[in-house]
Amino acid sequence: SAVISQKPSRDICQRGTSLTIQCQVDSQVTMMFWYRQQPGQSLTLIATANQGSEATYESGFVIDKFPISRPNLTFSTLTVSNMSPEDSSIYLCSVGGGQTRINYGYTFGSGTRLTVV
Amino acid sequence: QKEVEQDPGPLSVPEGAIVSLNCTYSNSAFQYFMWYRQYSRKGPELLMYTYSSGNKEDGRFTAQVDKSSKYISLFIRDSQPSDSATYLCAMSALGTALIFGKGTTLSVSS
Repeated sequence: SAVISQKPSRDICQRGTSLTIQCQVDSQVTMMFWYRQQPGQSLTLIATANQGSEATYESGFVIDKFPISRPNLTFSTLTVSNMSPEDSSIYLCSVGGGQTRINYGYTFGSGTRLTVV
Repeated sequence: QKEVEQDPGPLSVPEGAIVSLNCTYSNSAFQYFMWYRQYSRKGPELLMYTYSSGNKEDGRFTAQVDKSSKYISLFIRDSQPSDSATYLCAMSALGTALIFGKGTTLSVSS
């Protein structure tokens, strides 16, 4: 399976600022996914990022708040914009693939633990 | 009713015990069923993957899927302290993203 490097691993940010999270994969993948894991909660899909096209956002998430870039098949960024304390979460990128080639999200990065103060 | 229900625990067992973790779901279109293990401050790690109904065994781990009952299970035999983690069930239909349960926190004491 793919190996994912996610940066930063953690950050403490001031409200109103923005943070860009990077996700680097050691192999080319078609689809990348961004998830959020709030304290005590499960993972919630933010958006699906395809190379060369606009990301597809899930209900409750908008591009102005969570802009995503996918410049090539091994890299993606998620920006959390105009942050508020409610954005304090773990953000995870994931890539599809595996045995069935179904793009359902398979391998996860180690996550970015974001605290907004 | 949530799409995926999972008892959050916590679940505490002694070393060597058999652990049973379960999830129920409501969407009959789900075909792909996974169990992830998540250690503190780490990303989820895929443990088991099952397509449709049936059983799958990998070492001390056995995953079961009963689509008629919309119920999936993960069994851990001879549990070890290193198994202490949060276990997340996840499932999806064809071509859709994973839907996760809330996770069950397991603690195995030596």
